[in-house]
Amino acid sequence: GQNIDQPTEMTATEGAIVQINCTYQTSGFNGLFWYQQHAGEAPTFLSYNVLDGLEEKGRFSSFLSRSKGYSYLLLKELQMKDSASYLCAVRDQQGGNTPLVFGKGTRLSVIA
Amino acid sequence: GAGVSQSPSNKVTEKGKDVELRCDPISGHTALYWYRQSLGQGLEFLIYFQGNSAPDKSGLPSDRFSAERTGGSVSTLTIQRTQQEDSAVYLCASSLDPTPGYEQYFGPGTRLTVT
Repeated sequence: GQNIDQPTEMTATEGAIVQINCTYQTSGFNGLFWYQQHAGEAPTFLSYNVLDGLEEKGRFSSFLSRSKGYSYLLLKELQMKDSASYLCAVRDQQGGNTPLVFGKGTRLSVIA
Repeated sequence: GAGVSQSPSNKVTEKGKDVELRCDPISGHTALYWYRQSLGQGLEFLIYFQGNSAPDKSGLPSDRFSAERTGGSVSTLTIQRTQQEDSAVYLCASSLDPTPGYEQYFGPGTRLTVT
């Protein structure tokens, strides 16, 4: 079966750095996505990794190790507006924009 | 430009009634997806349309669920004889083929409550 694990909740301090981990066991692999979802809103795309290594985009970075079935999302210089759920998702099928398998999300609270 | 839109934003229905949820994808996006998000659960894939190909219905939880996409654009998700366990937020997403990483753009969702 498909299994994507990430912590349920995390708390971090404004201005700090936080790392949200995601491990996956899927029947196939064709890319890993991170989405941000504020309460009551639609998920919005943050990052995409298909090869091993680190992808950096401003304050957000995402890392992938395919051999370990592991990814993390790194958020730097945390701001209060970063309080949201962070969703790890895997594309487990080949052939383009096939559906994603999502983890349950990590709810991040940023405190002053 | 306009994003993915969904209607209604909220729907309360009685157990046993049928409901229709609508999704307007981003213009030109060939792929359309329906997911649902229950409290404390991750997004669960329901159905996927890609161009003129037969839809991937592998995620539909029962035969009470069906969806269609007319003219390669608007999609309607129908739930017949609703049950309380159908209560969830139903999210629609669309994707342009190809885009880097084949990002999916999500709509705001329809919150369905079955009483």
